[in-house]
Amino acid sequence: NAGVMQNPRHLVRRRGQEARLRCSPMKGHSHVYWYRQLPEEGLKFMVYLQKENIIDESGMPKERFSAEFPKEGPSILRIQQVVRGDSAAYFCASSPNQKETQYFGPGTRLLVL
Amino acid sequence: KNEVEQSPQNLTAQEGEFITINCSYSVGISALHWLQQHPGGGIVSLFMLSSGKKKHGRLIATINIQEKHSSLHITASHPRDSAVYICAVLIQGAQKLVFGQGTRLTINP
Repeated sequence: NAGVMQNPRHLVRRRGQEARLRCSPMKGHSHVYWYRQLPEEGLKFMVYLQKENIIDESGMPKERFSAEFPKEGPSILRIQQVVRGDSAAYFCASSPNQKETQYFGPGTRLLVL
Repeated sequence: KNEVEQSPQNLTAQEGEFITINCSYSVGISALHWLQQHPGGGIVSLFMLSSGKKKHGRLIATINIQEKHSSLHITASHPRDSAVYICAVLIQGAQKLVFGQGTRLTINP
């Protein structure tokens, strides 16, 4: 049973480009969470999704950021028109239900030039 | 004030020492996680607990719900234990984790 997969592991974008981060949860997990870790800062919650539904997006910036978790395929975190302040590590976690522990992926390290 | 506070922020010890990292929180929670992050690396979930005590190998985690406090202990510490240890709480009624700032642990041989 593979763990949570994230790709790419490293992503370099120029200001104004789009960044797409993918997360494949563990097999049997239908709950996905995205977290952001800014340089020298702690982790912060961004969004919680179940299949085809956004449950809690209270940590998502109001503009340029969106997330989805389609019926088929990985969860996608999309950042439009990236700025240097978006440079961070983005972690995805998954769980089989609300009460079980969350398992983290290896993260995607985004660098905006 | 952060909802989750960890202490100490940095801890350096010699191999073999008993290590304690503390976590206090100010909100109602349904569970508390201890996570481990190596430099430039991913995040590993060590424990999830909502009461009492859990043990896994040389690691022990305890939680006191009334006092809103948890501790992570490492017995017979080893240089490979060097990492950042993060306390995170699952907010009651929600599904989002709120994280402490982390404790950077360095174990010298």
